[in-house]
Amino acid sequence: AIQLTQSPSSLSASVGDRVTITCRASQGIASALAWYQQKPGQAPKVLISDASTLESGVPSRFSGSGYGTDFTLTISSLQPEDFATYYCQQFDDNVLTFGGGTKVAIK
Amino acid sequence: QVQLVESGGGVVQRGGSLRLSCAASGFAFSTYAMQWVRQGPGKGLQWVAFISFEGSNKFYEQSVEGRFTISRDNSKNTLYLQMNSLRPDDTAIYYCADNLIRGPGTPVTVSS
Repeated sequence: AIQLTQSPSSLSASVGDRVTITCRASQGIASALAWYQQKPGQAPKVLISDASTLESGVPSRFSGSGYGTDFTLTISSLQPEDFATYYCQQFDDNVLTFGGGTKVAIK
Repeated sequence: QVQLVESGGGVVQRGGSLRLSCAASGFAFSTYAMQWVRQGPGKGLQWVAFISFEGSNKFYEQSVEGRFTISRDNSKNTLYLQMNSLRPDDTAIYYCADNLIRGPGTPVTVSS
């Protein structure tokens, strides 16, 4: 199965900060990557699919980039409601795999 | 708009069985492969099972192989997961997915 290595596993940031999370695949997956946001007690919410396509209703401060093996999720100006755990996921293979998650906490 | 709604979860004793369902709408269900994914308490997301669009190909995560069966009814736009011989480490929220998780999930608790 394709492995996804997500970093960092956690970070502390302040409101207004620019935040970048990376996801590296163990083999090329073209653009078959999604990013999720998950808050405690809630289901994961898709933010970005196909590496860079913003889902309907997701604020434009979220953006995704990358192709092949290296991907990035960027939050341009962190807002209070963005404190959550973020996961990457590949869907290039029949076996879906996920990154280990990045917990974004308040500094 | 794609909608996936899981149901059928609950509390069951070790060794028991449950059948999960996933009602799909908003897309051509019969043309899409489908999957089940789970998330244990305080843990990350784990793929569980895959089924091809017509149901002929199925794959399972090693720990559920032989205990879980994935199936689908394309006439009802519904995906299923039959779970037998349940163990406490199967306790999780279960999500269905086409390529992406889009539903609320259904919780499964296996007591020892």
